[in-house]
This record gives sequence, C-alpha cells and structure tokens, in this order.
Amino acid sequence: GAGVSQSPSNKVTEKGKDVELRCDPISGHTALYWYRQRLGQGLEFLIYFQGNSAPDKSGLPSDRFSAERTGESVSTLTIQRTQQEDSAVYLCASSLALGGTSGINEQFFGPGTRLTVL
Amino acid sequence: GEDVEQSLFLSVREGDSSVINCTYTDSSSTYLYWYKQEPGAGLQLLTYIFSNMDMKQDQRLTVLLNKKDKHLSLRIADTQTGDSAIYFCAESIDSSNTGKLIFGQGTTLQVKP
Repeated sequence: GAGVSQSPSNKVTEKGKDVELRCDPISGHTALYWYRQRLGQGLEFLIYFQGNSAPDKSGLPSDRFSAERTGESVSTLTIQRTQQEDSAVYLCASSLALGGTSGINEQFFGPGTRLTVL
Repeated sequence: GEDVEQSLFLSVREGDSSVINCTYTDSSSTYLYWYKQEPGAGLQLLTYIFSNMDMKQDQRLTVLLNKKDKHLSLRIADTQTGDSAIYFCAESIDSSNTGKLIFGQGTTLQVKP
C-alpha cells in the first residue's frame, strides 16, 4: 500500500518568503508528526496531531511556524518569513498511535522535503 | 529536559560486529527504538525494546538496555556493507505511549569491505 508522501521533495526559496509543505499520511493513521532534520543533526520534534485532539505544538521553534491537519488526512506545515536557519529537511511521519499498553507506536516516515532558504 | 545522545560515527570491517551506543534522560520512557536511515531514503523502524526488558534479540540485531544507567545499545552481528546507514536511537517520552519521540543525533555506520 501507499506510504507517507510529502511534497514538494525540494523547495528553494528566498529569505523572507513563506513556504508551505504538505504531508499525506498513511490512510487510517490517526497520529501525524512533523520533524526537522538539520544537516548532520538528529530529528527535532516540531508538532504532533492525534485525531481530533488539540495538537502538541511544543516543538515549534517560533511563531513563524504553524501546521494544520484536516481530520485524519493531509497536513500542511507553513513557515512564514523564512530565514536561512530554516534550511533543513522536514520530515513527516504517521502512526496508528494506539497508546497505553497496546504496543509500540511505529512511526512511518515520508521521504522528506528539503528546504533551502537563500 | 529530555535528551538523547549518540556517538556520531562508527567504522567497521565487513563481517565484524558493530555496537552503537545511546544514552537517554527520561526514566519514564515506555519504549526505546532504533531507526535506520539509508542514503536517500526515509527513516525505517529497525527494532525496539520495551522498558521493562534488558535485552532483545532479532536475527543479527541485539538490543541491550541498562535502565539504571539509561544506556541503550544496538549490536549488529556479521555487519554487511548493506548495513551502512545512519542509526537513530529514540525514546518515547510520553508515558501514555501516544508516539511522541525524542531522537538522538544519529550514528553514521560505515562498513568497509
């Protein structure tokens, strides 16, 4: 079946412009996560959506970053007034997020969007 | 706050064993994970261990967990060139196990023929 898809795969933008990144999770996955991976670094948690609950935005680095998700489908991550330090690969993942003792919550990752801010 | 630390690079010869180490800080983690990122590909779950276990073996992979020292390791036996990748350790920091993870910086494993 289809995995997690992200678009665009690459985005080059000028400093100060807004960008919108898209994630299509695996159908039926209630949880969706966004991460940022800077060159040579680990994954930095940004935001987490679970069903209809309020999202966990604790990882967003500034108010220039926002994300939305419609129901249990597509999510968009928006970065306003981009800065050079926003250059990174933005990864999206989804999971069943069963919770509790139902077992592990394997996250399935998309291929990422490589953002370059000039 | 939560933090996961890994060594950045490991080089081994084909056929040798590889041991990748990780330390974490959140003692309430329910599961600890190892993800693998191959060049040009997304992250994939490699293996995991529940926090009440000390060891888990899965074919060539052995995961050891020392809860007292908050130390996790991944051993790959008979390492092959196809094992060359970046390996990320991750802990679930949400005691209700809803899936929020904190990742380490990743260890690049280089396997020389």
